[in-house]
Amino acid sequence: EMVMTQSPATLSVSPGERATLSCRASQSISNYLAWYQQKPGQAPRLLIYGASTRATGVPARFSGSGSGTEFTLTISSLQSEDFALYYCQHYNDWPLLTFGGGTKVEI
Amino acid sequence: QVQLQESDPGLVKPSETLSLTCAVSGYSISSGYYWGWIRQPPGKGLEWIGSIYHSGSTYYNPSFKSRVTILVETSKNQFSLKLHSVTAADTAVYYCARHGSNAFDIWGQGTMVTVSS
Repeated sequence: EMVMTQSPATLSVSPGERATLSCRASQSISNYLAWYQQKPGQAPRLLIYGASTRATGVPARFSGSGSGTEFTLTISSLQSEDFALYYCQHYNDWPLLTFGGGTKVEI
Repeated sequence: QVQLQESDPGLVKPSETLSLTCAVSGYSISSGYYWGWIRQPPGKGLEWIGSIYHSGSTYYNPSFKSRVTILVETSKNQFSLKLHSVTAADTAVYYCARHGSNAFDIWGQGTMVTVSS
C-alpha cells in the first residue's frame, strides 16, 4: 500500500520568506505527483502536476521538484494569500489515488 | 468555464445510504475525463472514494469498495455517489472533482454531510 508522508505538519514562516514543503512516497512513483492548496472553507486547488508543472494560473513563485520517492514544493516568497494547507497526491498507482496528510503553512 | 456543483443532503441517519449528485456545467461528461468523489472529515485530510470514467467504468478505493456505488447520467450531465450503511465516521465534506490521467484539476465547492440520528 502506497503511503504519502508530508513534513513538517506545520511550517511557521513570515511573509516574504521562502517555504519548503516535503512529500515522501513509500515506493517510487516516478513523477506522478500533484500538489494542492486548500484555504479554510474552500475546495483544494491544483497547483502542480507531474511533480513540477504548474497548473493554469498558478503564480511562478510556486515550484515543484523531485522524482522517485522525494518531492518538494517551494514557495519562493510567501504572500499573505499563501498561508493555507498544502497536500500532495500520487497518481502512479491508478486506479488507486492517495493524498498525503498535509502541511499547514502559517505565520 | 467548467463548474461542478454537489447536491446538499445535509443529515443522514446511521445505517442509511448517503446519496450525492454532482452536476457538471461547461463541459459534457460524455466527452471524456474521469469524474471522482473525495471526502474530508472535519479537521482531517483528503480521502479519495472513487471515480467513474465517461464511458461508465468505475474505480473504487478498496477501503470503500463494498459499500460504494458511483453512476454517471450523461443525459443530465451529472454523476452520483451512493455510500451505504453509513456511520458517524462518514461525517465529512464531500467533494466531486474532474481528473484526467493525472491530478484533480477542477473541484466542486464541497458539501457537508453529517451522519447522526
